[in-house]
Amino acid sequence: DAGVIQSPRHEVTEMGQEVTLRCKPISGHDYLFWYRQTMMRGLELLIYFNNNVPIDDSGMPEDRFSAKMPNASFSTLKIQPSEPRDSAVYFCASSLAFDEQFFGPGTRLTVL
Amino acid sequence: GENVEQHPSTLSVQEGDSAVIKCTYSDSASNYFPWYKQELGKGPQLIIDIRSNVGEKKDQRIAVTLNKTAKHFSLHITETQPEDSAVYFCAAREYGGATNKLIFGTGTLLAVQP
Repeated sequence: DAGVIQSPRHEVTEMGQEVTLRCKPISGHDYLFWYRQTMMRGLELLIYFNNNVPIDDSGMPEDRFSAKMPNASFSTLKIQPSEPRDSAVYFCASSLAFDEQFFGPGTRLTVL
Repeated sequence: GENVEQHPSTLSVQEGDSAVIKCTYSDSASNYFPWYKQELGKGPQLIIDIRSNVGEKKDQRIAVTLNKTAKHFSLHITETQPEDSAVYFCAAREYGGATNKLIFGTGTLLAVQP
C-alpha cells in the first residue's frame, strides 16, 4: 500500500487567500484524522471522520477552517481566508479502528 | 481533559547505549498509549503501542512499559543506532463524553552519536 497520500507537500500563499489541503487515506481504513503541528502547540487534532462522517470537530480553531470527506478515499481541509497564524504542518492520518493511526507526510503551509 | 507530559525534551546518547523517554498522563480512564517516531520532514510513524491491560511490550530493540498506578509509561531503546535519531512522541487516548482523541506529548529529540 502507498500509505496516506497528501497534497500539496508545500503551499505558500498570501494572507486572505483560500487554501485547500488534500488527503487520500489508506484503502480500507474507516477513520480519517486531520492534525496540525506547530512549535508552540505541538501536535493537535483538528477533526476526525468515521465512515466519512465528521465525529469530532472541536479542535477546528475557527469558522475559517472546514473539512469534508465526500467518499472513503478522499478528504479536504480548507482554510478561507488564510492568516499568517495558520502557518504550520498539517497532517492527515487514517486508521482501521480508532487506534494505530498512520500519518501522511504532511503539508507545510506558509501564509505570508 | 487529558494532559501528557514528556521528558526529557532532548536526549543525546552514544551509539550502542540505551535511551529512555518517560511520559506521564493525568486521566486514569486512558487505556491506549502509542509511541511515534518523527524524522525530519516526515510524518509521525507509529513504532510501538501498549494498552492498559499490559505492563510491558517489546519489539526487537524497543520496549514500552506502563505503570497504571503511577500513570506513567516509558519508551526504552536498546543498542541505539544513528538511524534512531529523530523526535519521539508519546500519546494517550483521551475518553470523556463525546471526546475521543489522542493527546500527544511535546516530543523528545533523540540524537545518537556515532
